[in-house]
Amino acid sequence: NAGVMQNPRHLVRRRGQEARLRCSPMKGHSHVYWYRQLPEEGLKFMVYLQKENIIDESGMPKERFSAEFPKEGPSILRIQQVVRGDSAAYFCASSPERGGGSYEQYFGPGTRLTVT
Amino acid sequence: RKEVEQDPGPFNVPEGATVAFNCTYSNSASQSFFWYRQDCRKEPKLLMSVYSSGNEDGRFTAQLNRASQYISLLIRDSKLSDSATYLCVVDPGGAGNNRKLIWGLGTSLAVNP
Repeated sequence: NAGVMQNPRHLVRRRGQEARLRCSPMKGHSHVYWYRQLPEEGLKFMVYLQKENIIDESGMPKERFSAEFPKEGPSILRIQQVVRGDSAAYFCASSPERGGGSYEQYFGPGTRLTVT
Repeated sequence: RKEVEQDPGPFNVPEGATVAFNCTYSNSASQSFFWYRQDCRKEPKLLMSVYSSGNEDGRFTAQLNRASQYISLLIRDSKLSDSATYLCVVDPGGAGNNRKLIWGLGTSLAVNP
């Protein structure tokens, strides 16, 4: 059972370009969470999605950031017109369906975005 | 008051020592609790889940005190490889479909030879 997959692992963008980060959850998981971690700082929740639905986007910046989790394919975190302050590690996690009452999240290896 | 609070440390301990971390949470309705570890520049990895009063796994013991709203993690006979940041995580529960977890900022542990 493959774990959570993220790609690319490293992404370099110039200021003003777009960044697209992809996340494939673990098999059987339909809940996806995106987090951002700045150097030397803690994890910051960004958004929580289920298939075709955004459940909680309270941590998403109001502009330039968007996320989707289509019926088919990976979840995408999109950052438009990137700025240097967007440089960070972006982690995706997934969790299984409700049923066992267990809501542990399992993380992918992250995408390290560098904006030059 | 923060929803989940941890002492950031760092905790510097010699190999073989016993070390304990505490974590407090503000929502008394919280359902379940987790400890994750995060190595430098890596993703967080689940260490233990705590659903009742406590859980033990080898050298690691987690305890939950609902009355005082804190969770602890005890590491016995610490190894160099235990050096990491330990994240306290809380499931606030509640109705509806929102299963967002609440994350502490982590406690840094350095085990020294």
